[in-house]
Amino acid sequence: AQKITQTQPGMFVQEKEAVTLDCTYDTSDQSYGLFWYKQPSSGEMIFLIYQGSYDEQNATEGRYSLNFQKARKSANLVISASQLGDSAMYFCAMRETFQETSGSRLTFGEGTQLTVNP
Amino acid sequence: DSGVTQTPKHLITATGQRVTLRCSPRSGDLSVYWYQQSLDQGLQFLIQYYNGEERAKGNILERFSAQQFPDLHSELNLSSLELGDSALYFCASSVRTGEYNEQFFGPGTRLTVL
Repeated sequence: AQKITQTQPGMFVQEKEAVTLDCTYDTSDQSYGLFWYKQPSSGEMIFLIYQGSYDEQNATEGRYSLNFQKARKSANLVISASQLGDSAMYFCAMRETFQETSGSRLTFGEGTQLTVNP
Repeated sequence: DSGVTQTPKHLITATGQRVTLRCSPRSGDLSVYWYQQSLDQGLQFLIQYYNGEERAKGNILERFSAQQFPDLHSELNLSSLELGDSALYFCASSVRTGEYNEQFFGPGTRLTVL
């Protein structure tokens, strides 16, 4: 079974600085996908960025980038130039695909609560 | 706005009751997923439908059932509700099943069982 580990329950960063949120994963699949979501206090889940297991380059989306180290099984999220609005819970997730049915699901880590200080 | 809609936004009910949560996927998305988020269990996958067919099942209780209709909207039915079923229930959608690079979530339905 797949497992996602986020070891930082809480992180603090100063406004305008960069921050790295850690994510490690465990899977025996060759093909998988890694996702990051943001959940503000309002509760919605906002898709941020995706990295495929065969992608050779690290994914980037605006101020978000994913530091993908396949051999270490890590997929850390880097947020550059933090803003007050970045304060939220961040979840790392892995896509698992079931060959028999072509079904799939996301398995989530426990999340990291990021606080951006002015 | 992700394009995934869920109704109702909030639901308060009593133990033993039955409720139905509704989800409409993004336009063009054929795959619908249901997740439960609770304080003690975190975010857990419940079930997936693709174009009307069940494709994957997670830790979904027997008291819970779901379906996806021909117009692709989906409903999650929760029956014989218990206090522990109180949670935020998310619906998500993707264009296809299997391998995809985007899965968008709806705003969630917050269920409170008293």
